Amino acid sequence: QPVLTQPPSSSASPGESARLTCTLPSAINVGNYNIYWYQQKPGSPPRYLLYYYSDSDKGQGSGVPSRFSGSKDASANTGTLLISGLQSEDEADYYCMIWRSHAWVFGGGTKLTVL
Amino acid sequence: EVQLVESGGGLVQPGRSLRLSCAASGFTFDDYAMHWVRQAPGKGLEWVSGINWNSGNIAYADSVKGRFTISRDNAKNSLYLQMNSLRAEDMALYYCVKGGSSWYGGVWDFWGQGTLVTVSS
Repeated sequence: QPVLTQPPSSSASPGESARLTCTLPSAINVGNYNIYWYQQKPGSPPRYLLYYYSDSDKGQGSGVPSRFSGSKDASANTGTLLISGLQSEDEADYYCMIWRSHAWVFGGGTKLTVL
Repeated sequence: EVQLVESGGGLVQPGRSLRLSCAASGFTFDDYAMHWVRQAPGKGLEWVSGINWNSGNIAYADSVKGRFTISRDNAKNSLYLQMNSLRAEDMALYYCVKGGSSWYGGVWDFWGQGTLVTVSS
């Protein structure tokens, strides 16, 4: 079981927003971690989207639209990828990743369906 | 243009060995950490191993520790993964990934197309 928990699936309609979560184990505090997000479409390698640590420490991948953004919810110990103004091309698998205990760890991924 | 081209995958029997290679071009290879990430058929991503620019920092996933060895040759702009004692659960598409300029950098902006490793008798 992946250390980072992501819902297996999510769906939303074009134009709506999708909020994809990545929950860290209770033993660690999301506030201390950079959360990286990757997108993968069928038959293609993953694509780097962005990272989020705080509002003053974040980064967007080259060519990644600004409608992709990151945040954290300390109370839920989660990192979140927000995709606003959903488009059909956003249908893909999304993975979160952190560096923890001398290893890189991926979440199990969320399959986003654009209805 | 950045290119990462993996090779060396194929069909191998359980318990045998395989060596993957990754030829890098289009960037200053010895400025970056490099990683191997794998994806079993229909499954999610799993980081396998990483190596910093001068091989001074190396790390492995627990699932491959003691069996896999990562290395790089900066003179040849190449990354390698020696895989020994292969198991059925090692069967996956193995991606070569350009890491960050820092060992702790998770901005992995270029991935190869992958090389498929099949472990079966």
